[in-house]
Amino acid sequence: KQEVTQIPAALSVPEGENLVLNCSFTDSAIYNLQWFRQDPGKGLTSLLLIQSSQREQTSGRLNASLDKSSGRSTLYIAASQPGDSATYLCAVNSSASKIIFGSGTRLSIRP
Amino acid sequence: DTAVSQTPKYLVTQMGNDKSIKCEQNLGHDTMYWYKQDSKKFLKIMFSYNNKELIINETVPNRFSPKSPDKAHLNLHINSLELGDSAVYFCASSPDRTSDTQYFGPGTRLTVL
Repeated sequence: KQEVTQIPAALSVPEGENLVLNCSFTDSAIYNLQWFRQDPGKGLTSLLLIQSSQREQTSGRLNASLDKSSGRSTLYIAASQPGDSATYLCAVNSSASKIIFGSGTRLSIRP
Repeated sequence: DTAVSQTPKYLVTQMGNDKSIKCEQNLGHDTMYWYKQDSKKFLKIMFSYNNKELIINETVPNRFSPKSPDKAHLNLHINSLELGDSAVYFCASSPDRTSDTQYFGPGTRLTVL
């Protein structure tokens, strides 16, 4: 049974810092892994999707890595901004259409 | 031009009532999903439909019944609502079943009194 864990549960950093969010999963047989952003009271926005054959994906200041063998993914945010404050969710697709989410990391960027 | 829309956004109702949440996507996707996000922010998949056919049905009470009149719509009907059904319900869609990004609706906050 796939389990997805995100650490830390909450993170607060000053503006401008680079930071890393962590995601771990127990079953390495995955189709892909996604990172989502959730703003309070709103839906989820997909940030990056990494296929199982890929090692990383980049979009702007975001870089996500995937190490299937160790069951880990990281989301790197460069030069953080207050607008980056949100909850970040990691989701693993380990069988057709079945996505397992982590509990999220609540990120707060202090101006 | 909303991609995945849900109605209503908020739903407050009494225990025992029956209610429905509607979801529509205008992306031309084949697969649609319902997720439940509980008070601890865990998102769990409930159902998945591909071209109007049920492909995932997680362990949810049979009081929950999804209905897909066409591949652009996946509605969630809940009978005999209970306090524990209070949560945010998200609808999502993806081009196909396996490897694509899912696009989420804004969520429906259900409160059962």
